Amino acid sequence: DGGITQSPKYLFRKEGQNVTLSCEQNLNHDAMYWYRQDPGQGLRLIYYSQIVNDFQKGDIAEGYSVSREKKESFPLTVTSAQKNPTAFYLCASTSGFSTDTQYFGPGTRLTVL
Amino acid sequence: AQRVTQPEKLLSVFKGAPVELKCNYSYSGSPELFWYVQYSRQRLQLLLRHISRESIKGFTADLNKGETSFHLKKPFAQEEDSAMYYCALNTNAGKSTFGDGTTLTVKP
Repeated sequence: DGGITQSPKYLFRKEGQNVTLSCEQNLNHDAMYWYRQDPGQGLRLIYYSQIVNDFQKGDIAEGYSVSREKKESFPLTVTSAQKNPTAFYLCASTSGFSTDTQYFGPGTRLTVL
Repeated sequence: AQRVTQPEKLLSVFKGAPVELKCNYSYSGSPELFWYVQYSRQRLQLLLRHISRESIKGFTADLNKGETSFHLKKPFAQEEDSAMYYCALNTNAGKSTFGDGTTLTVKP
């Protein structure tokens, strides 16, 4: 199951702290995505990036930030401004065409204590 | 803005029975549609995409632009089909939207 990795698998944070989730891919994909998955709500798009040094807000970007300095890496920072950060976070990548499949990482479960 | 609706959160059928998971979308442009599946303790993965017009594990899905639907069908469900199924829509601008998912249970 190589290709796209996320770390850590579980993450705990105190309220008021920022935390960064890692996403790395070795598929040579141009596009990368971050989703939030809550029970009964499916996947909601946080941010996406179609090329290095460029990214766009998704549907629920408030309280999150990203960077795309390298093609293979797309870290997500959950800031203290995010009102309800406890969730399961999924990263995905694709070659960049709208017809192409997204490949998903194993996810990170973030819990705010 | 695009939207994907999966009206059934839970669907239960008996082994050997036909199954249909519904997906409706709204998008003003030309959509690219996908079905993804998540089996227990596995990653989310592609099941099929409309552009390929193929059958995977006995599943098919036809894009109906008039009804803005992309329902997933299988004539004879198997127990190993039990999983969470997501319908997804991609736009030309690279944005991706998922439905809320349907949990399919196939009973023996």
